[in-house]
Amino acid sequence: GAVVSQHPSWVICKSGTSVKIECRSLDFQATTMFWYRQFPKQSLMLMATSNEGSKATYEQGVEKDKFLINHASLTLSTLTVTSAHPEDSSFYICSASPQAILGANYGYTFGSGTRLTVV
Amino acid sequence: GDSVTQMEGPVTLSEEAFLTINCTYTATGYPSLFWYVQYPGEGLQLLLKATKADDKGSNKGFEATYRKETTSFHLEKGSVQVSDSAVYFCALGPKAAGNKLTFGGGTRVLVKP
Repeated sequence: GAVVSQHPSWVICKSGTSVKIECRSLDFQATTMFWYRQFPKQSLMLMATSNEGSKATYEQGVEKDKFLINHASLTLSTLTVTSAHPEDSSFYICSASPQAILGANYGYTFGSGTRLTVV
Repeated sequence: GDSVTQMEGPVTLSEEAFLTINCTYTATGYPSLFWYVQYPGEGLQLLLKATKADDKGSNKGFEATYRKETTSFHLEKGSVQVSDSAVYFCALGPKAAGNKLTFGGGTRVLVKP
């Protein structure tokens, strides 16, 4: 159980266009989802925390107008990279917290990641 | 604030060698502790966890013991395989449901045949 599906796995887009990444919890309801960015050979950088039905909480230094997060249902959160530029190229990973289980003891389930390349 | 420190890699080993990845933490209270593994081009998978002091988490031949006295959660495996080549992340659990994990910097492990 506790499967998180992330789509697409990889995407190439032209500079100036927008890209949407989806994160779905397949067999549980996710009150909270997290979006991370990972640069090559580095750790994960938390970008934002999204709670179903409310605005996302962004980490310091993350542009909320560039990285739009929507968490409209208990099973889906989306990250839209708006007006993408080559410096936005990165590996983006989502994770989800089950609603009914204390995350403190459970840990979170991660999606398989999305490799974004902006050309 | 809470933090996790892992030994820097890369760690290069031969097949069947013993692996240890050190992890120490600073935290208020007694958080759960986790090890995640990331294979090339993939997301993170939970490898093992421990929820209280002296707990031992184990999975796929890997083990780690929650040591409160030394604030450590070192990962060990007695005999590594080429398929264990990956990046390993130590993490502090959230203080409550819906809070974030705190990750260490990750340790890249390369196992050579």
